[in-house]
Parts: sequence; structure tokens; C-alpha cells
Amino acid sequence: SQTIHQWPATLVQPVGSPLSLECTVEGTSNPNLYWYRQAAGRGLQLLFYSVGIGQISSEVPQNLSASRPQDRQFILSSKKLLLSDSGFYLCAWSVQGGDTGELFFGEGSRLTVL
Amino acid sequence: GQNIDQPTEMTATEGAIVQINCTYQTSGFNGLFWYQQHAGEAPTFLSYNVLDGLEEKGRFSSFLSRSKGYSYLLLKELQMKDSASYLCAVMDSNYQLIWGAGTKLIIKP
Repeated sequence: SQTIHQWPATLVQPVGSPLSLECTVEGTSNPNLYWYRQAAGRGLQLLFYSVGIGQISSEVPQNLSASRPQDRQFILSSKKLLLSDSGFYLCAWSVQGGDTGELFFGEGSRLTVL
Repeated sequence: GQNIDQPTEMTATEGAIVQINCTYQTSGFNGLFWYQQHAGEAPTFLSYNVLDGLEEKGRFSSFLSRSKGYSYLLLKELQMKDSASYLCAVMDSNYQLIWGAGTKLIIKP
């Protein structure tokens, strides 16, 4: 069966510090991968998605970046965090070419920038 | 622009039935999803509708009317564990998911 895991689950970082969130998927090959941010009272905001190694599409211009160094690994990074980067970050995957596009989410990472 | 509307919060009683509505305006339509999200946790898939009508899955049912841009999620025999946020999402013509802000459902004994 397929599983998705992201870490760390919680982190508190000072403004201006770097960020690295990691996500891995097991049990499937060539998945579509996504990074979302969820702010209180707002819908999920798509930050990045990837259809293959080294292929990253950015939906929102910001100080965040994403990389996919391996087929089932997706990393969200920042060189200098802003207060506005606080939120709940979710990694997700879907079957490439799947019938419905159903998303399977990781456990989430809650980031607080102070 | 693209828009998904759903109520912010609803309250219901254990054992009762509740209907959560979702209306949407998107550029194209390739399906509508309902996800459940418990506080502090990741969303989990509940249902998918691409054709008009009712899809039933145990205590949960989801309805779609594409001509009206409308869906609802019906929860029967409510249990305390159903207290969660319910997210409506529509896949547009570019196969991108547009998400509603979610409806927080509070179940009272």
C-alpha cells in the first residue's frame, strides 16, 4: 500500500532563518507531488506541484522554493523566513493520469515564525 | 475569478442528520471532491462526484448538480467523531483543484 510521510511535524523558527520540509512517498512510482499551505479560515493554497524529477511548477510567487531530487521525494525550502510564512503545510500526492485526481495528504507540518 | 462557497460553521446533534452545502464558480469542471479534516490533522478523502446525482457511501452521501454549480454532503446518524472541518474542492478545466475554506461541523451530545 502507498504511504506518505512528511517532517518535521512542528517547528518554531525565527524570522530570517532557513526552512526545509521534507516529504516522501512509498509504494508508488512517478506520482504527482504537491505542497499546500493552509491558513486559518482559508482554503488550501497550492504552492508547488511536480509531475516528475526536477520538474517544479510554482503557483504563487514568494520566498519559498521546492525541489524534487528523487521520484518520491519533495522538499519545500526557504532561505529566509517571513512572519507571513507561518501556517500548516501539507504535502500530497496523486496518481499521474489517474481517473479522479484524488489527493493523498501527509500528516502536515505546522510552522510558526516568530 | 474562481470561487468555492461553503458555510463557515454548522452545529448539529448526535444521531441527527446534517447537510453541508457547497456552491462553485470555476473555469470548467472536472469533478468535485469532499474531504474531512480533523483539527490539526491532514484532510482525508470522502467522496468524488463528476456526474449529476447522489453518491452514497455508508453514513455519508454527496450530491452534485453541475447546471446549478452546487453540491452537498449529507451526514446521517451523526457521531461525536464526525466533528471536523469538511472541505469542498472543484477540479477546473486545467485539472487544478480549487478549494473552499471548509465548514467546521460541531456535534453536540
